[in-house]
Amino acid sequence: NAGVTQTPKFRILKIGQSMTLQCTQDMNHNYMYWYRQDPGMGLKLIYYSVGAGITDKGEVPNGYNVSRSTTEDFPLRLELAAPSQTSVYFCATLRDRLYEQYFGPGTRLTVT
Amino acid sequence: DAKTTQPPSMDCAEGRAANLPCNHSTISGNEYVYWYRQIHSQGPQYIIHGLKNNETNEMASLIITEDRKSSTLILPHATLRDTAVYYCIVRVDKAAGNKLTFGGGTRVLVKP
Repeated sequence: NAGVTQTPKFRILKIGQSMTLQCTQDMNHNYMYWYRQDPGMGLKLIYYSVGAGITDKGEVPNGYNVSRSTTEDFPLRLELAAPSQTSVYFCATLRDRLYEQYFGPGTRLTVT
Repeated sequence: DAKTTQPPSMDCAEGRAANLPCNHSTISGNEYVYWYRQIHSQGPQYIIHGLKNNETNEMASLIITEDRKSSTLILPHATLRDTAVYYCIVRVDKAAGNKLTFGGGTRVLVKP
């Protein structure tokens, strides 16, 4: 049982490039989330999904897109990378019974 | 969701109890108090949550005042590995998306 896995661990992008951050879970949780964390700050919700085929915006969705075609995968897409998107990105799932979110190890992204 | 106020930082001696306060004076009757912690560079980790009764698990105890306007997370015997940022979050259970809103948290340094 790997829990929540994220790839890549680190990435450097040039301004204007695009990339997809991968998130996969093997716990069969319906809820999945993407957060970003800027240095010294708390986490901010980007997008979330309550199940396959259903996604919704969080607090800071601009510049990002998501899809949820399967229960296991919830990729986050950056279309035109900007320096303001330099951050650590965390994916999380929700354990229904206790309502505790499980977080992945994060992806550290730098846009220069 | 109600906002929370936490001290930005606090120190604690190894082996002693760490008492982390959280103010949530605008909490509603159906909002739960959650605590998460984030050890350096890792994804946040769920600690405990409660509605109005005191709660205890293998990690910590949660004391909620009778008027529910504040709470205290207690780490009974702090170890160096408890050094982390601790987040107090209030949230309506089973609300749309079951989203968490992270504030700045309290940076706890456990000293030998």
